[in-house]
Amino acid sequence: AQSVTQLDSQVPVFEEAPVELRCNYSSSVSVYLFWYVQYPNQGLQLLLKYLSGSTLVKGINGFEAEFNKSQTSFHLRKPSVHISDTAEYFCAVTPTGANNLFFGTGTRLTVIP
Amino acid sequence: EPEVTQTPSHQVTQMGQEVILRCVPISNHLYFYWYRQILGQKVEFLVSFYNNEISEKSEIFDDQFSVERPDGSNFTLKIRSTKLEDSAMYFCASSDNSNQPQHFGDGTRLSIL
Repeated sequence: AQSVTQLDSQVPVFEEAPVELRCNYSSSVSVYLFWYVQYPNQGLQLLLKYLSGSTLVKGINGFEAEFNKSQTSFHLRKPSVHISDTAEYFCAVTPTGANNLFFGTGTRLTVIP
Repeated sequence: EPEVTQTPSHQVTQMGQEVILRCVPISNHLYFYWYRQILGQKVEFLVSFYNNEISEKSEIFDDQFSVERPDGSNFTLKIRSTKLEDSAMYFCASSDNSNQPQHFGDGTRLSIL
């Protein structure tokens, strides 16, 4: 079975400050990892993904994430946030070869002017 | 950029009634999914669909639920006899193969009265 833990339900941060949104997962099999963003009244938009290869992956809007297999983590980072980054961020995993995504409970990022 | 579209954006239904949620996946995609998000909870996988049949389903997807691809463009989720606890946001997603990221629609908010 797979599970995803996002320990921080809400993260307030000042504009232009760095941010890290934490994600840990558990799985008995190898997984692919994703971060999705949900802006108000919109669907889920893919930020970035890790399938294989380099453990540091870069996504859209200046976000990046690092896969750490020993710590079973996939934390999302951005060196300098903008007001427009205010949204809900979801970490998700899927077992390799499977179709279904397992989501975390989400982290609401609020960027303060 | 191609999008997954869902209709209606908001559906209000009396308990016990049948409801059909509609989705138009991205045209060259072959894998289709439904997820739901109860208010304040995580996004949960319901079902995946490939080659005109269900490929995976979760425990949530019981006999009250069914999916169909009635023509070459639509993908529907039917709930036969709705319950109060079916109130949620329902997301449709599609991907061009099982290892590629899923693209999500904006969701249908289902409210059961």
